Amino acid sequence: ELKVEQNPLFLSMQEGKNYTIYCNYSTTSDRLYWYRQDPGKSLESLFVLLSNGAVKQEGRLMASLDTKARLSTLHITAAVHDLSATYFCAVLKETSGSRLTFGEGTQLTVNP
Amino acid sequence: NAGVTQTPKFRVLKTGQSMTLLCAQDMNHEYMYWYRQDPGMGLRLIHYSVGEGTTAKGEVPDGYNVSRLKKQNFLLGLESAAPSQTSVYFCASSYEVLQGSNQPQHFGDGTRLSIL
Repeated sequence: ELKVEQNPLFLSMQEGKNYTIYCNYSTTSDRLYWYRQDPGKSLESLFVLLSNGAVKQEGRLMASLDTKARLSTLHITAAVHDLSATYFCAVLKETSGSRLTFGEGTQLTVNP
Repeated sequence: NAGVTQTPKFRVLKTGQSMTLLCAQDMNHEYMYWYRQDPGMGLRLIHYSVGEGTTAKGEVPDGYNVSRLKKQNFLLGLESAAPSQTSVYFCASSYEVLQGSNQPQHFGDGTRLSIL
């Protein structure tokens, strides 16, 4: 059974600081996704990582994938208040009917 | 573009009542999914469909049924609602997952369901 674990689950940081969210998964995967969710809202796709060593960046967020370590990271650079949200990683296995297994989510609060 | 549309957005039911949640997508996606989101547990897959006329069980299917009679619609039914089914329900859709494809699942805005 595929398990996906994120840490930390709660993160409070100051504006301007850097931090990393970690996503570990238990079996081999075909691709990894990062989503953002604002309170009471839907999930917004941030990144799709397909292969070992993949790195994608959008603004102050950068995601990477190490399939050998079964680890993905979401790095936040010089955080701003607008990045406050819950971030989910999710892992897909094509052999499971293309089902996504989600981590518990990391609730990020960026304080002025 | 409407994307993925869920109806209703809010609903309160009494224990034992039945209801159907509707998900409609206008992106011609093959795959559709129903998830539930509970505090501290991320999203869990209830049922999914890989094409019109097909359905399959996900991680937490008990107490729910689904149907995909048309490609653009995916219905989630609760035959006899229970308080444990109080949750936020999300529908998602995607293209067929092909090797090398980087298409994500697209999510609706959610249905907030309370069972009293």
